[in-house]
Amino acid sequence: KQEVTQIPAALSVPEGENLVLNCSFTDSAIYNLQWFRQDPGKGLTSLLLIQSSQREQTSGRLNASLDKSSGRSTLYIAASQPGDSATYLCAVRRFIQGAQKLVFGQGTRLTINP
Amino acid sequence: DAGVIQSPRHEVTEMGQEVTLRCKPISGHDYLFWYRQTMMRGLELLIYFNNNVPIDDSGMPEDRFSAKMPNASFSNLKIQPSEPRDSAVYFCASSRGTSRNYGYTFGSGTRLTVV
Repeated sequence: KQEVTQIPAALSVPEGENLVLNCSFTDSAIYNLQWFRQDPGKGLTSLLLIQSSQREQTSGRLNASLDKSSGRSTLYIAASQPGDSATYLCAVRRFIQGAQKLVFGQGTRLTINP
Repeated sequence: DAGVIQSPRHEVTEMGQEVTLRCKPISGHDYLFWYRQTMMRGLELLIYFNNNVPIDDSGMPEDRFSAKMPNASFSNLKIQPSEPRDSAVYFCASSRGTSRNYGYTFGSGTRLTVV
């Protein structure tokens, strides 16, 4: 059974710092990995998608890496801003016996202090 | 592109009543997913459809829950009768094909409160 773990569960840093959020998964047979952002009381916004054959993806101040062999992904946020405060979720997509699964971690709640 | 559209945004109902949640996927997306989010259990997949056909409903909690997708542009999730433990945020998501290029797009969710 695929399990996805995100550490830490919560993180608080001062504005301007660079930071890394971690995601680990137990089964390396993934299709792709997606990072989402969720603001309180809102839906999930897709930030980055990394295909299983890729090593990293970048969008603006965000960079996501993927190491399938070690079952790890990281989300790097450069020059953090208070507007980055949200919960960040990673999810791995797998196909099992013809059925697809998107398995989520529990998320990291990020607070950027002005 | 209007994204995945869910309605209503909020629903408050009394225990025992029927609840219907609605979802319009992104045009051209052939997969539709229903998720439930709670503090205790996080995001759980309830059911998903491919080309309007239910593929995996193993996450549906019990017979009180049912979901249909009568056409490519609409799905609903019904709870009858509703119970307080059904209180959660219900998300609909859609995806196009099975290419590794494609991810999921989520709607804004329906916050259900059963009193």
